[in-house]
Amino acid sequence: AQSVAQPEDQVNVAEGNPLTVKCTYSVSGNPYLFWYVQYPNRGLQFLLKYITGDNLVKGSYGFEAEFNKSQTSFHLKKPSALVSDSALYFCAVRALNSGNTPLVFGKGTRLSVIA
Amino acid sequence: DVKVTQSSRYLVKRTGEKVFLECVQDMDHENMFWYRQDPGLGLRLIYFSYDVKMKEKGDIPEGYSVSREKKERFSLILESASTNQTSMYLCASSLGTNYKYTQYFGPGTRLTVL
Repeated sequence: AQSVAQPEDQVNVAEGNPLTVKCTYSVSGNPYLFWYVQYPNRGLQFLLKYITGDNLVKGSYGFEAEFNKSQTSFHLKKPSALVSDSALYFCAVRALNSGNTPLVFGKGTRLSVIA
Repeated sequence: DVKVTQSSRYLVKRTGEKVFLECVQDMDHENMFWYRQDPGLGLRLIYFSYDVKMKEKGDIPEGYSVSREKKERFSLILESASTNQTSMYLCASSLGTNYKYTQYFGPGTRLTVL
C-alpha cells in the first residue's frame, strides 16, 4: 500500500526566511513523488516531481525538493519565502511501474508567510 | 499547456436531486480522475478511468457513479445528492505512461447540497 504523511497541518514563516514543508512516504519499490500547490478556491497546480536521478529537484516559483531514500522523505524547500507563497501544499506518491495506480495524496500543509 | 475544465465553479443543489459534474481535458490523456477535497481530510479519490468506457472505484465511491463515453470527457454523477456530499470536487487527467504520469487538475467545483 502507498501512503504519504505531511506531519504539519500549518507552517508559519517570515517573509525572506527559508521555508520547509515536510513529507514522508511509504511505497513498495521505487517512488514517484510530487508536490502540488493550491491557492484559495483553485485547483491544484503541479510544482515539481522526482522520478529518478539527482536527489535535488528544482521546480516552479523557486521551489525545490530533496529526495532522501533512507529517510523516505521528500521535503519541499525554498531559500527565501514570499507572501505570495502562502497556500496549501500537497505531497503525493505512487510506485514506479505500478501501471495505472493513481497518486496518493497527503492531507496538505497550509503555509502562511508573514510580511 | 494542458487544460482541464470543469462545467461549474459553484453549484447549489437540493437533497435528493441528481447532480452531474462534467470534466473535459484537451490533451488526449488516457487517465481521468475525480477527487473530493474536505478540510483536514485532503484529497480522496472517488473514481478514476484509464480508458473510454472503463472505470475503477477509488477510496470513497459510495453515492457516486461516473461516465466516460469519450476520451476527453469524464462525468461524475451524484444519483441522489445528500448534505454530506457538500464538498469541493476536483477533476484531474494524466497520460498513461509511467514517466509522464503527472496529474493535471481542473479549477474545482464547489458543491453545496441543501
